[in-house]
Amino acid sequence: AQSVAQPEDQVNVAEGNPLTVKCTYSVSGNPYLFWYVQYPNRGLQFLLKYITGDNLVKGSYGFEAEFNKSQTSFHLKKPSALVSDSALYFCAVRGYGGSQGNLIFGKGTKLSVKP
Amino acid sequence: DTGVSQDPRHKITKRGQNVTFRCDPISEHNRLYWYRQTLGQGPEFLTYFQNEAQLEKSRLLSDRFSAERPKGSFSTLEIQRTEQGDSAMYLCASSSALPEAFFGQGTRLTVV
Repeated sequence: AQSVAQPEDQVNVAEGNPLTVKCTYSVSGNPYLFWYVQYPNRGLQFLLKYITGDNLVKGSYGFEAEFNKSQTSFHLKKPSALVSDSALYFCAVRGYGGSQGNLIFGKGTKLSVKP
Repeated sequence: DTGVSQDPRHKITKRGQNVTFRCDPISEHNRLYWYRQTLGQGPEFLTYFQNEAQLEKSRLLSDRFSAERPKGSFSTLEIQRTEQGDSAMYLCASSSALPEAFFGQGTRLTVV
C-alpha cells in the first residue's frame, strides 16, 4: 500500500537559519512526489514536485527538495528561513502509472519560524 | 483570479440535512478531484473526474456522498443526511496533463 510519513509534527527554526522538513514514502514503482503548503484557513498551494531527473528539485519561494531513492525520502529544505514561511507543510505521493486521482498525503508538519 | 473556486466557503447545517458544494476548476483543466481534510490530518482523496467521467471513488465516499461533473466543467459534491462525522474541510483541486494539482480554498462544513 502507498503511504507517506512525516515524522515531525512540528519543526521550530530561527529566522535566517536553514530548515528541513522530513518526508519518507512507500510506493510501488517510481514515485511522483510533491510538497504543498497550507496557510491558516486556506487551501493547499503547490510548492514543487519530483518526477524524474535531477534529485534536487527547486520550487516556489526559495524551497527545494532532495529525492533519495535508497532512503525513500523527499525532504523539503530552504537555506534561510523567513518568518513568513511559518505554515503547515504536506508531502504527497502518487505512484507512477497509478490513478491520476489518488494523491496520498502525509499528516503534515507545522513549521514555526521565530524572529 | 483564475484559480480553483469553491462555494460556499463555510456551511453550517443540522444533522440529517442535505448539503451541496460547488467547485469551479481552472478553465483549461480537464481533471478534477475532491478531497476531505479533518483537523490535524492531511487531505484524504474522495473522488476524481476526467472531463465528465468519474473515474475513481474512494471507499471514504459512502452511499450518502455523490459527486457530479455534468459538462466536464464545474463539479458538485452532495452529502445526504449529514452526520457529525462529516464535519471537515472539503477541498477541490484540478489539473491538466501535468501531474501537480491546484487546490481551491475549500468549503468548511460544520454539522451541528
